Amino acid sequence: DTAVSQTPKYLVTQMGNDKSIKCEQNLGHDTMYWYKQDSKKFLKIMFSYNNKELIINETVPNRFSPKSPDKAHLNLHINSLELGDSAVYFCASSRGRVRQPQHFGDGTRLSIL
Amino acid sequence: DQQVKQNSPSLSVQEGRISILNCDYTNSMFDYFLWYKKYPAEGPTFLISISSIKDKNEDGRFTVFLNKSAKHLSLHIVPSQPGDSAVYFCASYGGATNKLIFGTGTLLAVQP
Repeated sequence: DTAVSQTPKYLVTQMGNDKSIKCEQNLGHDTMYWYKQDSKKFLKIMFSYNNKELIINETVPNRFSPKSPDKAHLNLHINSLELGDSAVYFCASSRGRVRQPQHFGDGTRLSIL
Repeated sequence: DQQVKQNSPSLSVQEGRISILNCDYTNSMFDYFLWYKKYPAEGPTFLISISSIKDKNEDGRFTVFLNKSAKHLSLHIVPSQPGDSAVYFCASYGGATNKLIFGTGTLLAVQP
């Protein structure tokens, strides 16, 4: 009965490869997010979707492309992976887009060799 | 440009005593504040929040205090338990966007 689930939990890959991370929530929320936690443990928003519409798009390289097929899913595709992409990526969801607590998945640790 | 600051990277407290975690913010447009708790290899878990129209919010052992004039909030945990040992993040919403801005976290260790 996991609320926000991400797959895979760990991802180890070579520089230059393309990879995807999947996220699903069963909370009935209509807003979903992707965060990046870097080596300094700083959690920073990357993207947010509300009812499949992109509402937050931070200064993120074009190699990162989010896709929301429906309200319950938000995937993250990364092209041409670079060493600096190594981080933990967290998916989150909330009810509504204004001033609501966000519920997080357990993260995907991406390591680039 | 760190808009939410947690200046103490770590805090150690004895079981049963009070834990006080502090957070400062710089943006006066921030109007909703949250505390999250994070265990290793897990995602942040929402603990408690406070709106800028209040100066205190309580939920069981957890109380958050907001001092708007000082742009400061604190989380009090009483009594502290070993299971409270985790990283605590302060986060703020505000302004025209729905972006949640996080602090860098404080590692709390509660000693039995």
